[in-house]
Amino acid sequence: DAKTTQPTSMDCAEGRAANLPCNHSTISGNEYVYWYRQIHSQGPQYIIHGLKNNETNEMASLIITEDRKSSTLILPHATLRDTAVYYCIVVPGGGADGLTFGKGTHLIIQP
Amino acid sequence: DGGITQSPKYLFRKEGQNVTLSCEQNLNHDAMYWYRQDPGQGLRLIYYSQIVNDFQKGDIAEGYSVSREKKESFPLTVTSAQKNPTAFYLCASSIIETGAKPQHFGDGTRLSIL
Repeated sequence: DAKTTQPTSMDCAEGRAANLPCNHSTISGNEYVYWYRQIHSQGPQYIIHGLKNNETNEMASLIITEDRKSSTLILPHATLRDTAVYYCIVVPGGGADGLTFGKGTHLIIQP
Repeated sequence: DGGITQSPKYLFRKEGQNVTLSCEQNLNHDAMYWYRQDPGQGLRLIYYSQIVNDFQKGDIAEGYSVSREKKESFPLTVTSAQKNPTAFYLCASSIIETGAKPQHFGDGTRLSIL
């Protein structure tokens, strides 16, 4: 599986857009980009995923560069409840193997 | 509501003792997974199962065992052979299909050694 690189931590003001970058320069053609987040002492929560096109759902938007070597997760109006560790993962499209989580980005929303 | 239930939330083990962590899902998912998380670290895969009565080792299976007798249940036993069992254990499940298949996680069991 391709590895990902994320900043260790980021701050964002409440009400502003939080933009979380992820590099995945060795991603393969059939690998998806997934984002999860983990609030302290809870299980990870799925946020969004994409293959080539930009995606949006009720939680966030995912912007994937044309060469697919990096992506950005956007939380449009961050709230204090968005403070969490955010994980960017690349996952093959077939099968049901386990996921490989790095250390992620600790996003802190400031009041 | 559909979801994954892990129990207990906190568990204490004495030295040399085996303990079993429960994981139940009512999402009708075929695949189930166990992960271990140490403080400040990401998740590491212990075991996974794609079908009843079959399972595969993950990256850190030594000292652990699992069973999959029912589709909805995937218990994890932490044996006395696991020398450093103190960690946060997470269970997940997913459908199996070509393409995208997000995993759904339980809220974890925190295991500590007395």
